[in-house]
Amino acid sequence: KNEVEQSPQNLTAQEGEFITINCSYSVGISALHWLQQHPGGGIVSLFMLSSGKKKHGRLIATINIQEKHSSLHITASHPRDSAVYICAVTDSNYQLIWGAGTKLIIKP
Amino acid sequence: NAGVTQTPKFQVLKTGQSMTLQCAQDMNHEYMSWYRQDPGMGLRLIHYSVGAGITDQGEVPNGYNVSRSTTEDFPLRLLSAAPSQTSVYFCASSYGRGMGGYTFGSGTRLTVV
Repeated sequence: KNEVEQSPQNLTAQEGEFITINCSYSVGISALHWLQQHPGGGIVSLFMLSSGKKKHGRLIATINIQEKHSSLHITASHPRDSAVYICAVTDSNYQLIWGAGTKLIIKP
Repeated sequence: NAGVTQTPKFQVLKTGQSMTLQCAQDMNHEYMSWYRQDPGMGLRLIHYSVGAGITDQGEVPNGYNVSRSTTEDFPLRLLSAAPSQTSVYFCASSYGRGMGGYTFGSGTRLTVV
């Protein structure tokens, strides 16, 4: 069983829809990261959080430490949001453990 | 612009050849790392460094060497390329290990034939 699991693996939605990507982890962590990888391959760090909720533009990330679960939400989705979204956690040994990613396609 | 500069973007090697992937950052980050990304798999850590003169192995270090003579630079050396090393390689840096967000280079697509 992977230590970081994301769901869904693939998600296709229409422009404007509210998107939720989930991440569950089974190890103790000091931080959780959400990253975005565009079709061109570049990886961008979106959020790092250890508690509560963070918001940046149309992106919202939440984490529930007790349930070992995080969600990434995208409001008013747009085709330019199409990318692979990756959840990663920093474990107690300061190692990054990566999820396999969620491929999101937003259709116009 | 501040960030992580990774070169080359593409490379084709013959089996047995050696090469160095360059990584440089200008953000004074202490922590630098190299990952490889293979289809259907998450990023896997090859080597990392928590500061100049300090390096350590990650999850998949075999066939790769690193050095960190300066804070800015963290080159990755392939000693004798093998087809199994065909992958996309990313360099990343952050203020400290597990601290702060990560900044990634643009990646190197390496093919070993």
